[in-house]
Amino acid sequence: AIQLTQSPSSLSASVGDRVTITCRASQGISSALAWYQQKPGKAPKLLIYDASSLESGVPSRFSGSGSGTDFTLTISSLQPEDFATYYCQQFNSYPRTFGQGTKLEIK
Amino acid sequence: EVQLVESGGGLVQPGGSLRLSCAASGFTFSSYEMNWVRQAPGKGLEWVSYISSSGSTIYYADSVKGRFTISRDNAKNSLYLQMNSLRAEDTAVYYCARDTVHFLASSDAFDIWGQGTMVTVSS
Repeated sequence: AIQLTQSPSSLSASVGDRVTITCRASQGISSALAWYQQKPGKAPKLLIYDASSLESGVPSRFSGSGSGTDFTLTISSLQPEDFATYYCQQFNSYPRTFGQGTKLEIK
Repeated sequence: EVQLVESGGGLVQPGGSLRLSCAASGFTFSSYEMNWVRQAPGKGLEWVSYISSSGSTIYYADSVKGRFTISRDNAKNSLYLQMNSLRAEDTAVYYCARDTVHFLASSDAFDIWGQGTMVTVSS
C-alpha cells in the first residue's frame, strides 16, 4: 500500500499568513492526489484534485502543486474559517490511502 | 441538492453485526462509483471500501476484508455496508463518499460526502 506522510502534523499560524502543508508519497503517484479540509464534527470537504486543480466553489487562496512523490497545499492568506484539519489522499492505487492529517490552529 | 445521507449506526457488542445505509439524492446515483470512509474518535480518515457504478468491481481495506461487505441498489439510489464480526477498533464515524472524475481530470476525488453515522463497538 502507498503511504502518505504529511508535514507538519500541526501548525500554528495567524490570519493573513501564508501556509504550506506537504504530503510525501512512499512511491510515485503521478498527479493522482486530492486535498480535503475537515472541521470538527463535519465531513471532509474537497479542495484540490489532480494535485493542482481547484474544486468548484473553493476560494482561490487555496492552491496545490507537485507530482510524483512530493506535493504541497498552500493557503496564500489565512482566513479565520481556514482553521481546520487538512488531509491528502492518493488515487494512484487501492487502498485509497490518506495522509495522517495536519491540524492548522490559530496562533 | 446533491446529497448523501447515512443511517444505521449505533452501539453493538464485539462480534456483532450492523448494516449501514447511504441514501443518495440530487444526482444520477447509478453513474457514480462510491466509497465508505471511516474516522475513529480523534483520529484521521481511513478508506474502507469501494464499489463501481454497476457493482461489478469491489475493493476493501485489509483491516475489514472478510468481515465487511459493500453493496448497492441503483434502483433505490442506495449504498450499503454490511459489517460483521465487529471489533472495538471498528468504532468510528462512517462516511459514504461519491467518487468523481472531473472533466479533463486524470484521477478521481471524493467530491460529495455524507454527514456520517457513528458506530460504537463495545460491551
